[in-house]
Amino acid sequence: SAVISQKPSRDICQRGTSLTIQCQVDSQVTMMFWYRQQPGQSLTLIATANQGSEATYESGFVIDKFPISRPNLTFSTLTVSNMSPEDSSIYLCSVAGRLGNTQYFGPGTRLTVL
Amino acid sequence: GEDVEQSLFLSVREGDSSVINCTYTDSSSTYLYWYKQEPGAGLQLLTYIFSNMDMKQDQRLTVLLNKKDKHLSLRIADTQTGDSAIYFCAESNKYSSASKIIFGSGTRLSIRP
Repeated sequence: SAVISQKPSRDICQRGTSLTIQCQVDSQVTMMFWYRQQPGQSLTLIATANQGSEATYESGFVIDKFPISRPNLTFSTLTVSNMSPEDSSIYLCSVAGRLGNTQYFGPGTRLTVL
Repeated sequence: GEDVEQSLFLSVREGDSSVINCTYTDSSSTYLYWYKQEPGAGLQLLTYIFSNMDMKQDQRLTVLLNKKDKHLSLRIADTQTGDSAIYFCAESNKYSSASKIIFGSGTRLSIRP
């Protein structure tokens, strides 16, 4: 499986500011994804990060709030814009395995918004 | 829509077997997964099973799938303190493959001495 790293691992931010989370993979991958895990909850898919084109967002998530970049096959960023306390969550990136039937997750970014 | 359900908590004694259960509603499920999340960490893929299998064993882990009842279980033999974590059941279907994995709410496994 790929080795996935995320930066920052955690952050505490003020309301109204934005935070960009980076996801780096040690090998080229076709599909990358961003998830949110709210406190005590399961994972919810935010979007699929597409290389060379706009991300594909799930219902309830919009590009203005969660802009995503995917400049190449090993890197993606997720920005959480104009944050409010409700955005306090763990944000995880994942990549599809080589055979396309599994996903492997990064360590997550724990965000607290005050 | 698709749904995956798990009980929220399980407590077992160290050395006993743990059995975590999961039910799902999607009759088109192709793959079913078990992920482990330790405190403060991301999700680790423990094992997965293709829907045409009914059992998969990997060292201390045994996955059983009853496709008729849409029931999946994870058995951990000789449970150790390092097995304390949240275990997520998840599924994907043939129409979306790995791009749309639906997760259960997670079962928090605690180990007592």
